Amino acid sequence: KNQVEQSPQSLIILEGKNCTLQCNYTVSPFSNLRWYKQDTGRGPVSLTIMTFSENTKSNGRYTATLDADTKQSSLHITASQLSDSASYICVVSDDDYKLSFGAGTTVTVRA
Amino acid sequence: DTGVSQDPRHKITKRGQNVTFRCDPISEHNRLYWYRQTLGQGPEFLTYFQNEAQLEKSRLLSDRFSAERPKGSFSTLEIQRTEQGDSAMYLCASSPRDRSPYEQYFGPGTRLTVT
Repeated sequence: KNQVEQSPQSLIILEGKNCTLQCNYTVSPFSNLRWYKQDTGRGPVSLTIMTFSENTKSNGRYTATLDADTKQSSLHITASQLSDSASYICVVSDDDYKLSFGAGTTVTVRA
Repeated sequence: DTGVSQDPRHKITKRGQNVTFRCDPISEHNRLYWYRQTLGQGPEFLTYFQNEAQLEKSRLLSDRFSAERPKGSFSTLEIQRTEQGDSAMYLCASSPRDRSPYEQYFGPGTRLTVT
């Protein structure tokens, strides 16, 4: 069964600090890996999409990495802001549209 | 067009009642997806349309669930004889034609509570 495991389940950081979220997957075949941000009660919003040949991609203060050999990805948030408080979901696709979602990491940024 | 819209945003219903949700995708997006998300979990795939054709249905989509996209634009998801286990957020997403890797744009979701 294709699985996407995320860690930690939740974390609390102080405003201005950095943090890194982890994602391990067993999805095969692999097409692409995505990170989504989901605010409470809202739909997920895409942050990055990486294909097999990409090992890093940035979107503002968000930087995602991908190691397709070890099937690991990380999302690094730099200089966190209060608005970064959300759930961050790692999503792996094995073809064009079939997505396997992780359970998400809940990030709380405190002033 | 500001994005995928869903209606209603919240629905409370009594067990056994039927409910219908609507999703309006981004204009000219030919692919449309329905997902279900329970608290503390990531979304789970329910079904997928390309234009008006329903190309795949998850086994999560029991006989009580039906989805349509009659003209290849908006879509509806109906749940008959609702059960408490149907309580969840129902998300709709759409993606544009001919663009790999088919970025999916999500709507705000419909939160269903079955009492």
